Amino acid sequence: DAKTTQPNSMESNEEEPVHLPCNHSTISGTDYIHWYRQLPSQGPEYVIHGLTSNVNNRMASLAIAEDRKSSTLILHRATLRDAAVYYCILTAYNTDKLIFGTGTRLQVFP
Amino acid sequence: DAGVIQSPRHEVTEMGQEVTLRCKPISGHDYLFWYRQTMMRGLELLIYFNNNVPIDDSGMPEDRFSAKMPNASFSTLKIQPSEPRDSAVYFCASSPPGNIQYFGAGTRLSVL
Repeated sequence: DAKTTQPNSMESNEEEPVHLPCNHSTISGTDYIHWYRQLPSQGPEYVIHGLTSNVNNRMASLAIAEDRKSSTLILHRATLRDAAVYYCILTAYNTDKLIFGTGTRLQVFP
Repeated sequence: DAGVIQSPRHEVTEMGQEVTLRCKPISGHDYLFWYRQTMMRGLELLIYFNNNVPIDDSGMPEDRFSAKMPNASFSTLKIQPSEPRDSAVYFCASSPPGNIQYFGAGTRLSVL
């Protein structure tokens, strides 16, 4: 499985945008980029995923570099509830598995 | 839908005892996954099923662990005998085809 690299932790103030980076230099052409997050004492939850084009949903935006070797999860206005560990995961098109790394712990300050 | 339901939420047992964790996936989901999370090893995939059939159990740590899915609405993860190093949070997740997984709230297991 292709690897991802994320910063261990990031901080943000409430109502500010947050850009969470992910490097995946060994990504293959058919790998999807998934983002999940895990709030304290809860199971992980799906945030967003994409292949080549940038993606938006009600939770976040996903910006994918043109060479696909990196991506950025964008929270447009952080809230205290967004404090969580964010996982960037690559999945091959023909696999059903998610392999979680260590993720980025996001702290949000009031 | 109530989401993925796991029981019990907390389990405390003594070393050597049998432990059974239960999971009810979201109705209509073809895939069911069991994960284990610890501080040291993070979130690890133990086993997953497709249409009640085990597909990949390479993450199951040893023979003390077993998982079954007798029907589309129920799965169990059993540890026999349990050991202190099995203490962790165990998550169940289900998904339709397409890789978006929905996780339960987890079972926190403490083996004394």
